[in-house]
Amino acid sequence: ETGVTQTPRHLVMGMTNKKSLKCEQHLGHNAMYWYKQSAKKPLELMFVYSLEERVENNSVPSRFSPECPNSSHLFLHLHTLQPEDSALYLCASSQDHPGPYGYTFGSGTRLTVV
Amino acid sequence: KQEVTQIPAALSVPEGENLVLNCSFTDSAIYNLQWFRQDPGKGLTSLLLIQSSQREQTSGRLNASLDKSSGRSTLYIAASQPGDSATYLCAVFGRDYQLIWGAGTKLIIKP
Repeated sequence: ETGVTQTPRHLVMGMTNKKSLKCEQHLGHNAMYWYKQSAKKPLELMFVYSLEERVENNSVPSRFSPECPNSSHLFLHLHTLQPEDSALYLCASSQDHPGPYGYTFGSGTRLTVV
Repeated sequence: KQEVTQIPAALSVPEGENLVLNCSFTDSAIYNLQWFRQDPGKGLTSLLLIQSSQREQTSGRLNASLDKSSGRSTLYIAASQPGDSATYLCAVFGRDYQLIWGAGTKLIIKP
């Protein structure tokens, strides 16, 4: 399998639940990203990992917790979310960060918080 | 601070037409510009990546041009088809190593 794979595709969770989003890339890239896309808003960069180390955290609430156990996998752990956190969460990878290499995106996880 | 603007915000044309989507940016000191396609509720598919040293890139019926001095890029779609209906996003990778996104152009191709 090639490219960037995200699971699950859809997730509905209550505000007291704990869940995790998974991202896997088979491109040999060294950098991975989490983006949030809300309705009618531009993509928001949440986290950047380079060589398994977090290099950016763009003022994201602590109820979102990323984890990068190796260069191929990236998780986003969710707990006590709010309804306004409902959005499409996109994972991306790039050859290196920072660098002008272009980005490859996954299909996203559509999250609904009830 | 880099700003990226896409015009028009939405476009509806009959099938078969050639069309142009526009992307403009305020800071010409960029490393590259990337065009993406997004179908409703789905992830982003990379269409074309133009490095700052390049003038254009082509893939099938798509052609993207880059004019850094004027801060513009265009995505040309030839012989449009209903399957081209999607939102098209441009993103600029600039001097501060940030990827700055346009708001997108929603394209509808009518059969």
